[in-house]
Amino acid sequence: GQQVMQIPQYQHVQEGEDFTTYCNSSTTLSNIQWYKQRPGGHPVFLIQLVKSGEVKKQKRLTFQFGEAKKNSSLHITATQTTDVGTYFCAGRGGGSYIPTFGRGTSLIVHP
Amino acid sequence: DTEVTQTPKHLVMGMTNKKSLKCEQHMGHRAMYWYKQKAKKPPELMFVYSYEKLSINESVPSRFSPECPNSSLLNLHLHALQPEDSALYLCASSHPGGGAFFGQGTRLTVV
Repeated sequence: GQQVMQIPQYQHVQEGEDFTTYCNSSTTLSNIQWYKQRPGGHPVFLIQLVKSGEVKKQKRLTFQFGEAKKNSSLHITATQTTDVGTYFCAGRGGGSYIPTFGRGTSLIVHP
Repeated sequence: DTEVTQTPKHLVMGMTNKKSLKCEQHMGHRAMYWYKQKAKKPPELMFVYSYEKLSINESVPSRFSPECPNSSLLNLHLHALQPEDSALYLCASSHPGGGAFFGQGTRLTVV
């Protein structure tokens, strides 16, 4: 079945440093979604990427979808303590309309 | 209204109890989902309803029984659960192929 690998599992940064999490799929994806889950909270939908090579920005967050539609990344510039949480990618592929979640990257920001 | 409302927020039940989790959305989404999430893990898909019909059951034990009374409501009936079923149960909804909006979840403890 489809697998979505996400790295790193954890990332500690000092406030103000940049952060990146990466997702790789074993198969070509039709689209990829990104979610953020704060500690004790629920996943919140951030964005969906559909096109090959697509880049989208939301303030300090930059999302990329690879040319082959098998990988994606989320980059946060100048992290803040409010960025703390677990970031999940979720990819759709193989004819399924149900996304497969990556294991998530937990971001810890030290003030 | 961009909310998915879940009740109750917390539930403690014995292994012989019967209880129900409830979920409601008024975004006109025709796909609704139940996920189970253990600590430090990604959400794990249980059931998908599409246009009020059960379209996916991810081999979930029969002690979990979903119900979709109408396009806005989703229930999960629980009976004879085991302690290992303790988890955060998340309801979500989406337009087909779109990003999922999650409820705040029900934190379930089986004693």
